[in-house]
Amino acid sequence: ETGVTQTPRHLVMGMTNKKSLKCEQHLGHNAMYWYKQSAKKPLELMFVYSLEERVENNSVPSRFSPECPNSSHLFLHLHTLQPEDSALYLCASSLGTSGDSYEQYFGPGTRLTVT
Amino acid sequence: AQSVTQLGSHVSVSEGALVLLRCNYSSSVPPYLFWYVQYPNQGLQLLLKYTSAATLVKGINGFEAEFKKSETSFHLTKPSAHMSDAAEYFCAVSVFGTLTFGQGTILTVHP
Repeated sequence: ETGVTQTPRHLVMGMTNKKSLKCEQHLGHNAMYWYKQSAKKPLELMFVYSLEERVENNSVPSRFSPECPNSSHLFLHLHTLQPEDSALYLCASSLGTSGDSYEQYFGPGTRLTVT
Repeated sequence: AQSVTQLGSHVSVSEGALVLLRCNYSSSVPPYLFWYVQYPNQGLQLLLKYTSAATLVKGINGFEAEFKKSETSFHLTKPSAHMSDAAEYFCAVSVFGTLTFGQGTILTVHP
C-alpha cells in the first residue's frame, strides 16, 4: 500500500449504530487530519493530530470520537449519528503542521450515509 | 485569520481552450498556497504549491499558477483543456499551521 488509505470506502449505518472509520498513512508523516466534505459546503476540518497528540478540535459534536494510536493510524469512531452527518469523510496526512511541511496528502475518503 | 475565495463555483470550457480558475486569499503574513484537484469519488490530489520561492509555479498535468502579492491572487491556468481535466478544484492557504480551503470550482470540459 502507498500513500493514504481509508476503509471502508462506503458505509451505511442507522442512527443507533456504532461504527469506525480507519485511515492509514504509509508516508512516514507526523500529522493526520479528519475532514468532512458535504455537498455544497467547503471542506470542514474536524480534527488534527500531531505526533499522536490531538492539537485541534473544531467544535465537532461528541458523537464523533477520534483516536490516533500511532503516527500511521487514525480512527474516527461514530455513534448515534444524525442524517445530516451523511458526507464524504476524508483523511489526510502531512510531514508537519507548519509552513511547507503542511502540504497534505489525502486518502480517497469514506462515503457515509446515515439512515 | 486567513481566508480563500474562489470566484465562480462552476467554470465551463471547450476542449483545447484556456483554463483559468480564480483564487484570492486574505492573510496578514506571507502565506503558503496550494491547489488541489478532486475527481469524482476520490480524495484531493495536490496539483501545485507556492512556498515563497518562484512566483510562477508549475504543477502536474500541465497546470500552473502565479502568485501575485499586489492582487492577493493565486489563479490556476492551463493553456489547453483536456477532457480528463474535468473535476473539482480547490485553492487552499496555509498560515501558522492552519490550512483553509476555498469552496471549490467545478470545471466542465466540452468536446
